[in-house]
Amino acid sequence: RKEVEQDPGPFNVPEGATVAFNCTYSNSASQSFFWYRQDCRKEPKLLMSVYSSGNEDGRFTAQLNRASQYISLLIRDSKLSDSATYLCVVNNRYSSASKIIFGSGTRLSIRP
Amino acid sequence: GAVVSQHPSRVICKSGTSVKIECRSLDFQATTMFWYRQFPKQSLMLMATSNEGSKATYEQGVEKDKFLINHASLTLSTLTVTSAHPEDSSFYICSASRAGPGAQYFGPGTRLTVL
Repeated sequence: RKEVEQDPGPFNVPEGATVAFNCTYSNSASQSFFWYRQDCRKEPKLLMSVYSSGNEDGRFTAQLNRASQYISLLIRDSKLSDSATYLCVVNNRYSSASKIIFGSGTRLSIRP
Repeated sequence: GAVVSQHPSRVICKSGTSVKIECRSLDFQATTMFWYRQFPKQSLMLMATSNEGSKATYEQGVEKDKFLINHASLTLSTLTVTSAHPEDSSFYICSASRAGPGAQYFGPGTRLTVL
């Protein structure tokens, strides 16, 4: 089983729609969580960190459920520019080091 | 803050040559830098983790003698692809993080094409 799992998509939704992604992780000791977006042939860019209490940044809302070991990303009023691959990222702590684990990404395509 | 640069952005070389890629954290000190490779339509693959002043930790299946990593300072790490072959053609991306379990910040990537 992968340490971080995401639905690869693609999700194809109309502009203005609300879309949600989930991501599950296997290590219950995972410390921190992030969502990144990656545009085609570009580097990943940090979208937002995910906190236990949930957090919102404009049209984007991230939630963490430690009991069920999943994180989610909700995008409201989607724009054409939201089309990208969204990467779920988990930071695990192993003895004296930490390790970032990337999900394989969920592709989102917004259509006019 | 948290800007990471990478150089060169693109390189085309002949088979058998070595290619050096630099990764710099411009506005923060990066205790740890990471090197990834990404093939078309595939996810990021972590190659190695480097901590300043110590040897890099390579992921399983990554040849340390082929992909030489040097992390000489808190703002610079280099990856050298030695004796590159066409199968090494890929998008190489570095990232850097501050101390602690925080986010990583990515460089813009280097697209390597080996002829």
